[in-house]
Amino acid sequence: DGGITQSPKYLFRKEGQNVTLSCEQNLNHDAMYWYRQDPGQGLRLIYYSQIVNDFQKGDIAEGYSVSREKKESFPLTVTSAQKNPTAFYLCASAVQFNQPQHFGDGTRLSIL
Amino acid sequence: KNQVEQSPQSLIILEGKNCTLQCNYTVSPFSNLRWYKQDTGRGPVSLTIMTFSENTKSNGRYTATLDADTKQSSLHITASQLSDSASYICVVSAPWSGTASKLTFGTGTRLQVTL
Repeated sequence: DGGITQSPKYLFRKEGQNVTLSCEQNLNHDAMYWYRQDPGQGLRLIYYSQIVNDFQKGDIAEGYSVSREKKESFPLTVTSAQKNPTAFYLCASAVQFNQPQHFGDGTRLSIL
Repeated sequence: KNQVEQSPQSLIILEGKNCTLQCNYTVSPFSNLRWYKQDTGRGPVSLTIMTFSENTKSNGRYTATLDADTKQSSLHITASQLSDSASYICVVSAPWSGTASKLTFGTGTRLQVTL
């Protein structure tokens, strides 16, 4: 069954620590995205990738990094530079950029 | 600045009743408008997608309408069920322009269906 898998579902970060959120898709989609969702706010774009080995900053990229070494995988690293990382992180993919997106079930990141 | 505003912020209705959620947007130019359903702790799932030329689109008990002239959309839920309890998010897409943020997300309407 095709879809997007995010892991872990819950993640805790200590001060000064980098953490990596996993996103894997088996939909053969070229485009992948990372969003951040905070209470009372719309989803905000962190990074996106139109094709393997390419990615671009979104609206709120500071304190985050990504890689796209494989078509299926688009991991997001939340670095210690991100001072307010507590949020629900959603990964999405699309056949191509600007096509309808399919979302994973998210990772909730909290600070210890 | 492109904005998408949804109302009401939250809504409680009895099972079996109908309801209508509103979405007003200022995104211009406009490519398409999407409604998503997001269950608590899950990712959004697409309900409908409408282009500029479409006035209405249905997906089972969900019917979305679009008035591109007034920049308004609504999502009507018929004969609500307990499983309809979720957040409903309106998303407006701008045509491809090479910029990073092509989608503008609303903050959602939280719907609770009760017995």
